[in-house]
Amino acid sequence: QSALTQPASVSGPPGQSITISCTGISGDVGSYNLVSWYQQHPGKAPKLMIYEVSKRPSGVSNRFSGSKSGNTASLTISGLQAEDEADYYCCSYVGSRLYVFGNGTKVTVL
Amino acid sequence: EVQLVESGGGLVQPGGSLRLSCAASGFTFSNYAMHWVRQAPGKGLEYVSAISSYGSSPFYANSVKGRFTISRDNSKNTLYLQMGSLRAEDMAVYYCAREYCSGGSCWNYFDYWGQGTLVTVSS
Repeated sequence: QSALTQPASVSGPPGQSITISCTGISGDVGSYNLVSWYQQHPGKAPKLMIYEVSKRPSGVSNRFSGSKSGNTASLTISGLQAEDEADYYCCSYVGSRLYVFGNGTKVTVL
Repeated sequence: EVQLVESGGGLVQPGGSLRLSCAASGFTFSNYAMHWVRQAPGKGLEYVSAISSYGSSPFYANSVKGRFTISRDNSKNTLYLQMGSLRAEDMAVYYCAREYCSGGSCWNYFDYWGQGTLVTVSS
């Protein structure tokens, strides 16, 4: 199973909105509404930000939102803040109790 | 408070073996499916393995199938990963992660992660 495709980096000034794409194939992102997104700060464990494409766990800011169209899922961060600077990974269920992650996107707040 | 604490990482020679552990606390461990995810130095996350709440039906990524074995001891609230025939490309931080489960069903995302344990494969 190949990694899902994400842009290597996305940046924006504080207050701006940015969107990270996550492209798979019909066998993963396109087949299941089971895409999740994880934030990872350097040296830290990943943190769940979005699950089931667009749902937000309690405690996660409503500045984070998710969506999906066809084989591409997206994570949007609105009102970009310094603390949002991190690596972001998408993840999709691919069947048979297995998953695939995206290659990761580094978000830089300018 | 949910806690997952990995241990057992270290330096191992190519071809060697290592067993990782993940001690769970703060929740009813036997109700949750558990997973291992790894991250090579400076690289992205890679899915490794899964095990159901009752310990049957293990699943493995192709990259580790036949070399790694996932298991759990619900009486000890501990998840394991037995790694064998280790290769340089297995060198990574290994995270255990809990899959959110409720009412007997699991929902295909990882709501809690441990801090990871580093496995170094080198001669």
